[in-house]
Amino acid sequence: GENVEQHPSTLSVQEGDSAVIKCTYSDSASNYFPWYKQELGKRPQLIIDIRSNVGEKKDQRIAVTLNKTAKHFSLHITETQPEDSAVYFCAASAMDSSYKLIFGSGTRLLVRP
Amino acid sequence: DTGVSQDPRHKITKRGQNVTFRCDPISEHNRLYWYRQTLGQGPEFLTYFQNEAQLEKSRLLSDRFSAERPKGSFSTLEIQRTEQGDSAMYLCASSFSHNEQFFGPGTRLTVL
Repeated sequence: GENVEQHPSTLSVQEGDSAVIKCTYSDSASNYFPWYKQELGKRPQLIIDIRSNVGEKKDQRIAVTLNKTAKHFSLHITETQPEDSAVYFCAASAMDSSYKLIFGSGTRLLVRP
Repeated sequence: DTGVSQDPRHKITKRGQNVTFRCDPISEHNRLYWYRQTLGQGPEFLTYFQNEAQLEKSRLLSDRFSAERPKGSFSTLEIQRTEQGDSAMYLCASSFSHNEQFFGPGTRLTVL
């Protein structure tokens, strides 16, 4: 069935360092890959997304890369700040009728001041 | 507030009782999704509406669960004969066509 694996489950970095979170997906029909940030007690919020016709996308300190052959995509956060501390979820969606999101299990990122 | 809203935000109920949650999507969004999130996990898909039609249901959605979107606007999710395993955060999301899904704040259900 459809599955998204996410690693690591926790990540602790020093302020100013980079953070990388990796995901793999199983459904070869997947063509949309969003990343959500969820702060404690808050709703998931989209921070960046990428579609399968693009290999990389960047938005200020955040970038996402996609390797369709390997069914692998990654989130890169540079110059991390304490306010980046949160749980990050990757997700995959296929161009079927629903576009339902299949989420990874999340990465808890802690940025130490 | 023009975002997705959910009501109630918290619900505590006793095992065996029925509960109903409401979701109000962003007004022009034709797609509405329900997800369930347990502690330390990512949201899991439950069901999906396009306008008023329920087009997909996850096998996670047992026959105790029913969802409606009667006029293609707000949606309700009802759980009958609640069980302790139903305790979770129930998230609603909406989108226009195949674009970004915007999530609501969720309804946290605790079944005692």
